[in-house]
Amino acid sequence: RKEVEQDPGPFNVPEGATVAFNCTYSNSASQSFFWYRQDCRKEPKLLMSVYSSGNEDGRFTAQLNRASQYISLLIRDSKLSDSATYLCVVNIAYGGATNKLIFGTGTLLAVQP
Amino acid sequence: DTAVSQTPKYLVTQMGNDKSIKCEQNLGHDTMYWYKQDSKKFLKIMFSYNNKELIINETVPNRFSPKSPDKAHLNLHINSLELGDSAVYFCASSPLREDTGELFFGEGSRLTVL
Repeated sequence: RKEVEQDPGPFNVPEGATVAFNCTYSNSASQSFFWYRQDCRKEPKLLMSVYSSGNEDGRFTAQLNRASQYISLLIRDSKLSDSATYLCVVNIAYGGATNKLIFGTGTLLAVQP
Repeated sequence: DTAVSQTPKYLVTQMGNDKSIKCEQNLGHDTMYWYKQDSKKFLKIMFSYNNKELIINETVPNRFSPKSPDKAHLNLHINSLELGDSAVYFCASSPLREDTGELFFGEGSRLTVL
């Protein structure tokens, strides 16, 4: 079983739609959680951190459920420019201040005009 | 002014050859990483260095040898290349802080082994 699992998609949605991505992780020692975005043939970039209380950044809302080891990302009012692969990322405790970020396989979003 | 730069961006080579990828960051970060992204787009950590010291080595074959001459550079040398080594290799850096999730990636080096 992969440490971080996501539905690979693709999710094909019309502009303006609301879309939700889910992610589960297996390591209960995971300390912190993130969503990254990767455009086609580009490097991944941090989209947002995920907190237990839930957090919002414009049209994007992230939620974490530690008990269920489940992370979600909601995108409202989808734009064409949101088309990308969304990577769920978990930071495993490695000792000291060393970060070991484990990436999910990503969910591909294609927003259609 | 590129924060994390890798060279070369593209590399095509024959099986059995040896090749190197160089990485430099000008962000003043203490920690640098190599990740491999395979054809299924799975991004997997290979190595992590903190201020020139190897911290993470994810059971990568010893044909892969990272070298960090200083904290701003982390190079990757691969011996006896195999077909399965074909992938995009990403270098990244981060500040030395607990719980930081922000890795700054280079643009990737696409390696094709024929």
